[in-house]
Amino acid sequence: GEDVEQSLFLSVREGDSSVINCTYTDSSSTYLYWYKQEPGAGLQLLTYIFSNMDMKQDQRLTVLLNKKDKHLSLRIADTQTGDSAIYFCAESITRDDKIIFGKGTRLHILP
Amino acid sequence: KAGVTQTPRYLIKTRGQQVTLSCSPISGHRSVSWYQQTPGQGLQFLFEYFSETQRNKGNFPGRFSGRQFSNSRSEMNVSTLELGDSALYLCASSIWEERLSTDTQYFGPGTRLTVL
Repeated sequence: GEDVEQSLFLSVREGDSSVINCTYTDSSSTYLYWYKQEPGAGLQLLTYIFSNMDMKQDQRLTVLLNKKDKHLSLRIADTQTGDSAIYFCAESITRDDKIIFGKGTRLHILP
Repeated sequence: KAGVTQTPRYLIKTRGQQVTLSCSPISGHRSVSWYQQTPGQGLQFLFEYFSETQRNKGNFPGRFSGRQFSNSRSEMNVSTLELGDSALYLCASSIWEERLSTDTQYFGPGTRLTVL
């Protein structure tokens, strides 16, 4: 069955890089997403990657995909206090398929 | 463009009651998905409607049902409420975005349901 796993908490010092990891079980997954949920706010799509890509960079965000290990990571460079949020990894097989979310990683920024 | 709106934002019910939540998607979006978010289970997919038809369904009991109207607005109904149904219920509407070559989901603020 489909499952997405990610660690629940991560603490990082301001200015350092944050790396949030995720593993998924369905090798048919074609679309892999990272969503951000700030306190009291809804989910926002941060970035995504297709399964035929290894890496995607978007300003401070870098997504790495290891399809063989079914491992996805999100790197946030120069982490700021505004990056404090819950980050959800998600996957879907096709664009019409349901999106399966991980439980979210709460990123805490240390001063 | 207005974002996804959900009503009500907060709701308190007692066990055994039923509840209806409403979601208005972004104008032009035809797909609406519902999710249940709890601290223990995270974000779990309930169902998705596209053009008034249920297109995908998650692993929830039959007490959870939904529908979509011709204007793409969607409702979710939970009957015979249980304590464990207390959660944040999120609605998302989506549209194919050519520039991104993917469907993009836009989430509403959610309805926080508390079952006493």
